[in-house]
Amino acid sequence: DTAVSQTPKYLVTQMGNDKSIKCEQNLGHDTMYWYKQDSKKFLKIMFSYNNKELIINETVPNRFSPKSPDKAHLNLHINSLELGDSAVYFCASSQDSWGGGAYGYTFGSGTRLTVV
Amino acid sequence: AQRVTQPEKLLSVFKGAPVELKCNYSYSGSPELFWYVQYSRQRLQLLLRHISRESIKGFTADLNKGETSFHLKKPFAQEEDSAMYYCALKSGSARQLTFGSGTQLTVLP
Repeated sequence: DTAVSQTPKYLVTQMGNDKSIKCEQNLGHDTMYWYKQDSKKFLKIMFSYNNKELIINETVPNRFSPKSPDKAHLNLHINSLELGDSAVYFCASSQDSWGGGAYGYTFGSGTRLTVV
Repeated sequence: AQRVTQPEKLLSVFKGAPVELKCNYSYSGSPELFWYVQYSRQRLQLLLRHISRESIKGFTADLNKGETSFHLKKPFAQEEDSAMYYCALKSGSARQLTFGSGTQLTVLP
């Protein structure tokens, strides 16, 4: 029973397209995150939601828009995809809204996005 | 601003040898520090956290505030330890973890 699940696992699409990545957690956590892992394996926070409220919005292009219909779901929609958006996108959740506190994050398995 | 530095992108050791993965951080307050591990084709998972002072899979990490370091150590590396290791920091007021750039550990037979 997967704790944090992301779909799809792989996504190959052309430049200019619009795509969405979905994330769901069944842990009852209040906070969810999107991280981007670039080609050099560097992980960078993009967004965070606490109980459907946006609490972290790092400097990302406004082509990226997160949506949280409820606290168990955090989706990422990307408009007008560019080559530089190619990366692995990780969803994560935590019990609290303060960076995971003593328990850290639970990560999804990642979505590998390739823009051609 | 908080920052995590992992100076080694790649680290190779032989099976049975000691291993140390370095992590330095910059933060003036009292940090919370974590090590995450990502095995090949698997998700990132929490390995250990400094406040619990635990040993997981033979790994330990000690917070050294004087040197602002949180190095990960294991006395005898195993081939199954081969993975990507990330050090992560949470400062008092921040609402997210800041990750280092990761160290790819390869344990050779």
